[in-house]
This record gives sequence, structure tokens and C-alpha cells, in this order.
Amino acid sequence: QIQLVQSGAEVQQPGASVKVSCKASGYTFTDYYIHWVRQAPGQGLEWMLIMNPKDGTTSYAPKFQDRITLAKDTSTGTVYMELTSLRSDDTALYYCARAGVGPTLGTLDYWGQGTLVTVSS
Amino acid sequence: DIQLTQSPSTLSASIGDRVTITCRASQSVSDWLAWYQQKPGKAPKLLIYKASSVEVGVPSRFSGSGSGTEFTLTISSLQPDDFGTYFCQQYSSYTRTFGQGTKVEVK
Repeated sequence: QIQLVQSGAEVQQPGASVKVSCKASGYTFTDYYIHWVRQAPGQGLEWMLIMNPKDGTTSYAPKFQDRITLAKDTSTGTVYMELTSLRSDDTALYYCARAGVGPTLGTLDYWGQGTLVTVSS
Repeated sequence: DIQLTQSPSTLSASIGDRVTITCRASQSVSDWLAWYQQKPGKAPKLLIYKASSVEVGVPSRFSGSGSGTEFTLTISSLQPDDFGTYFCQQYSSYTRTFGQGTKVEVK
């Protein structure tokens, strides 16, 4: 079955960086784009970026353009999202999600379980 | 960015009620709009895509309508499993955006 499994919770200090992984299985990794979305505690969903796992091309929400580094390992079907210069308002649950294709093109059809990132001194 | 505004923010309803949630876009998104349901502690689940198409496996009591800038999600007869938060999402622009969410709670 299709699964996206993310790495575990992180606690980081302000100014540090955090790297979250998302391992896809149950489908051909390079055939589906990957989104990252975050959700601050008790808040709504904030779209961050979409990445093409085939060639690594990425489109970002403007506020994240300068602070995110993405990497991928096609052999394991894993995407890595690194957020730098962390601030307290980066405390959130970070989700990876698969982009739909065909009729559901543009949607996020399968989601990871989320990774809680806490920024605190 | 295209802004999405949902109303109401919170909705109190009883089992069997007909429930309607509205999502308004700051500019036309044609019918490139999706709806998601989120339960506490869980990831969102896709319900509706292209404004009115129901995702496979989603109960038929869920329906979507609208185009351009105004959209609705309707639950024809609210069931216990339907309580949670609902989000709309536009994919007209490459920069996706979500509505702020509508919490459906027990009356």
C-alpha cells in the first residue's frame, strides 16, 4: 500500500537547522511530485513547496524560498527537507504529501504522519 | 498569492444535520479546488477534488459545488465520524494555498 513515513520529532534551538525525511513506498517514487505542508499548534495548514523527485526541481512559497534545502535519494525513495535559521514560529507539525495525478492532479492525495519540530531555547 | 476564506470558522451540529461550509477565493480559481478532512492528531484526508468530484472511498453524503471564487462543501446527513476540521485548498496557481479551516463540532 502507498505510504509516506516521516522521521521522528525534533527539538532545536533558535538559529539552528532541522532536517526532516519522508520515505515513500508502494508506488514509483519518481512518478509523483512531493509537497511539504506545515501546521503550527492549533492552527491551519500552510503550504511550503512542491518538488519533482525525478529531477529535483522545486517551487516554493515565497516566505520559505531562502531557508529550505531539499535533497532526495531515489534509490530509497526518500526526500529530505532542511529548514535553516529556525525561529520560535517555525514550531509546527511538518507533513510531506504525495501530489495527485490524472483526475486528482493538483491535490495532495497521500500524506505522511507528520513530524513535530519544536524550536525552543 | 490567492487567499481562501472559509466560513464559518466553527460550526456546531447534531447527528443527521445537513452541514454546509463555504470557501471564497480572492480571485478566480476556476474549479481547481479541493476539500480535506482532518481529525485530531491525524493528517488531512482528501475528500473532494476539482470542486465537485468525490475521491474514491469517500461516503456519498459528502458533496462539493461551485466555481470561480465561491465554493461549498456539503454533508447531507452528519454522522459521528464526520466531526473534525475541514480545509479547502486551491491549485489554480503553482503556489498552493489552504483556507483557515472550519471545525465541525458536536452541538
